Amino acid sequence: EPEVTQTPSHQVTQMGQEVILRCVPISNHLYFYWYRQILGQKVEFLVSFYNNEISEKSEIFDDQFSVERPDGSNFTLKIRSTKLEDSAMYFCASHKGDSSYNEQFFGPGTRLTVL
Amino acid sequence: DQQVKQNSPSLSVQEGRISILNCDYTNSMFDYFLWYKKYPAEGPTFLISISSIKDKNEDGRFTVFLNKSAKHLSLHIVPSQPGDSAVYFCARPRTGNQFYFGTGTSLTVIP
Repeated sequence: EPEVTQTPSHQVTQMGQEVILRCVPISNHLYFYWYRQILGQKVEFLVSFYNNEISEKSEIFDDQFSVERPDGSNFTLKIRSTKLEDSAMYFCASHKGDSSYNEQFFGPGTRLTVL
Repeated sequence: DQQVKQNSPSLSVQEGRISILNCDYTNSMFDYFLWYKKYPAEGPTFLISISSIKDKNEDGRFTVFLNKSAKHLSLHIVPSQPGDSAVYFCARPRTGNQFYFGTGTSLTVIP
């Protein structure tokens, strides 16, 4: 069964460093998302991406964040200058976009630890 | 703006009994709701959804009930199994493809 994959599973970085989190969505899906979950808190929407551009973003997704689909398979989230509060699980998700009921398929997540 | 709220952070149930997970919402604009299940170290996986034109949707051991007048939905799992132990999130569309997720309820099914 197709699945969303994410790499790395765990990323440790120093505050102020840039990180790139990688995702490979399901191949025939058209909509892509990033979410994050800070430990003990709820899953929060960051950004959605469709047709090679951002379609929606939350107030969390500030200028430090960017997304890219550099080729036909990868979908990346870049954090330019990480802060301690960026430590969280980051989930990528995708869906087909051919239904009114937008069931999103999630990857296993990348745990980002900022020291 | 907490559009979906799960008031019970945790729930423990004996194997074979019914698990009932609850979710309240504050805005009736959107037409469907979803439940996701999440195991530790994994991403959320879609479980079941319900359209607002229905008040019940059933899939095997899982049934979701929607009470529009009370702005409340619930997920029933019967009979509960140890493998059902996970965190359950309710979710609803915010705008377009953006979803609101609840804070989750951690279900423990005791063998």
